[in-house]
Amino acid sequence: ILNVEQSPQSLHVQEGDSTNFTCSFPSSNFYALHWYRWETAKSPEALFVMTLNGDEKKKGRISATLNTKEGYSYLYIKGSQPEDSATYLCASLANNDMRFGAGTRLTVKP
Amino acid sequence: DTEVTQTPKHLVMGMTNKKSLKCEQHMGHRAMYWYKQKAKKPPELMFVYSYEKLSINESVPSRFSPECPNSSLLNLHLHALQPEDSALYLCASSHPGQTYGYTFGSGTRLTVV
Repeated sequence: ILNVEQSPQSLHVQEGDSTNFTCSFPSSNFYALHWYRWETAKSPEALFVMTLNGDEKKKGRISATLNTKEGYSYLYIKGSQPEDSATYLCASLANNDMRFGAGTRLTVKP
Repeated sequence: DTEVTQTPKHLVMGMTNKKSLKCEQHMGHRAMYWYKQKAKKPPELMFVYSYEKLSINESVPSRFSPECPNSSLLNLHLHALQPEDSALYLCASSHPGQTYGYTFGSGTRLTVV
């Protein structure tokens, strides 16, 4: 993998569903992995910065895991709420080069 | 103050115009960034300033000219742009080192006509 890839591109879930999505990144010379939450017409907001293989971070109902050896990170949302609707961006830092994925657009229906 | 402020929020300019985008933060961050984002594409890094010095220029055309007058301000001067330069331009700041999360502005939506 040369670029940062996120899947799925978009996701529609019902309120109360739990969901997860994936960020794949080049594993060579990895330094850090960032997750951002971006609501329409607002600024991207930093959720997590992860650096260590096996790292797990949690903020409320949102959590993330990191596998630097195989080059992926998962973001989990437990009990999705309509206010979780946003685009979730990941970015990988390697060789002093920060690359973003195109994001996963999450829509939570009431 | 925990925000990055970008002005203007929207800009329409002709191909012969000269305009500037502005970005301001008062969080004491010493790294500031310009990103360009086209619809449904990843944000692309354009410039990085660290301690008010340009540290990374990602081969951006010279019609984009960055300026960092002080540690709180970052400008992007635009001249002779092309319609394909129409995009969302995002400014961000952080503590140097990039293991810190970025604080982003809400962007300037630029349309070149």
